[in-house]
Order: sequence, then structure tokens, then C-alpha cells
Amino acid sequence: GDSVTQMEGPVTLSEEAFLTINCTYTATGYPSLFWYVQYPGEGLQLLLKATKADDKGSNKGFEATYRKETTSFHLEKGSVQVSDSAVYFCALRLNTGNQFYFGTGTSLTVIP
Amino acid sequence: KAGVTQTPRYLIKTRGQQVTLSCSPISGHRSVSWYQQTPGQGLQFLFEYFSETQRNKGNFPGRFSGRQFSNSRSEMNVSTLELGDSALYLCASSHYSGSDEQFFGPGTRLTVL
Repeated sequence: GDSVTQMEGPVTLSEEAFLTINCTYTATGYPSLFWYVQYPGEGLQLLLKATKADDKGSNKGFEATYRKETTSFHLEKGSVQVSDSAVYFCALRLNTGNQFYFGTGTSLTVIP
Repeated sequence: KAGVTQTPRYLIKTRGQQVTLSCSPISGHRSVSWYQQTPGQGLQFLFEYFSETQRNKGNFPGRFSGRQFSNSRSEMNVSTLELGDSALYLCASSHYSGSDEQFFGPGTRLTVL
């Protein structure tokens, strides 16, 4: 069935370190792919998205490229900040229907 | 523009009881989806309502039900509560069914004792 698998956390990095959070998916057809972020005490917010193969989504210094050949959508940031500490969720939405499938989330803590 | 609101924010119930959670979408949004979030399972899709009709349904037992009103507000009901129903219940709204972006509310934290 359709699903998203993302790397398990928690991840702890020092400020200015490079971040990669892996995400792979299984889906029929051609899904749209998303990264959502949940800051402490807040609701999920859309971080970035890509709707077709080879698209790159970017926002707030984060990037992810839709790789159809590897069914992946890895999240990267070149230099993390303490304010990036949050839980990150990879998600897909099939082009039929409006059901989103989320990964289990990866907790990131950035220490000064 | 006001965001998605959910009430109540916290709820404590005992096994066997039932509970109703409420979600008010962003003004103009007609699609409302519900998710259950637990530490072990992450976010799991419950169902989606659009124009007062259930459009999609996840793999949850019939104890979980919902409805949507003409003003797009939605309610979710869980009957005969079990300990395993303890979770954060999230509501998300979007302009229409199939919209790329969902806007999430802060959630209702349900604890079943």
C-alpha cells in the first residue's frame, strides 16, 4: 500500500551543522510530496512541497528534491539553527483523493 | 485570517465513554481531514469531509465517526473509548478536496483512563 518511511530520530546536531533527514515513499501513480514541521507546542505547518519528479521544494533554507528513480524526498539544510529544533514529517498525497500519508516524524534538536 | 481551531484542547475520559471533538476550518475552506497522532504510529488518517460528505476514510474501526456541517465545521466522535484511543487528534482544512496544502489545527489531546 501507499506509505512513507522516514529516518528514525531523535537527531541532535550542533548549530551550523549540515542536516539530512531521509524519506522514501511507496505509492501508486505520481504523488505530491511534502515536508511538514511541528514546532514545540504548535500545530503542523507546511515547510515545502514538490508535485512532480525532479521538482525541488525549498523554504527557510531547507530543500528537498523529488527523486522518482529512488522514490525519495530527503530533507536537507546546509546550516541548522537552534530555532530549527522541531519534529519533521515527510508526507505524500496521491493525485486521486485528498488522503495524506505521513511518516512517523523525526525529532531534531539543535544545540548551540 | 484566523487559523484552524479545535475544541476542546484537552480532554480526559474513562474507558467505555464516548467523546466528541470539534474543528472549525479556516474561513472559505470546505475540506476537513482528521488525523490521530501517537508517538509510535505517527499521524494516521481517519477521514476527510468535503461539502458535508465523507470523501475518504482511513483504516479505523467504526467507533470512529465524523460529520460536517453546512458551515464546514466538523465534529469527530469516538464511542466506547479504549485506552489505546489516547492520542492527539489533529484536524486539517484545505480549500477543496485534492488541494495540495492542508492547514493544521493545534489538536485535541485525549487521555483515556
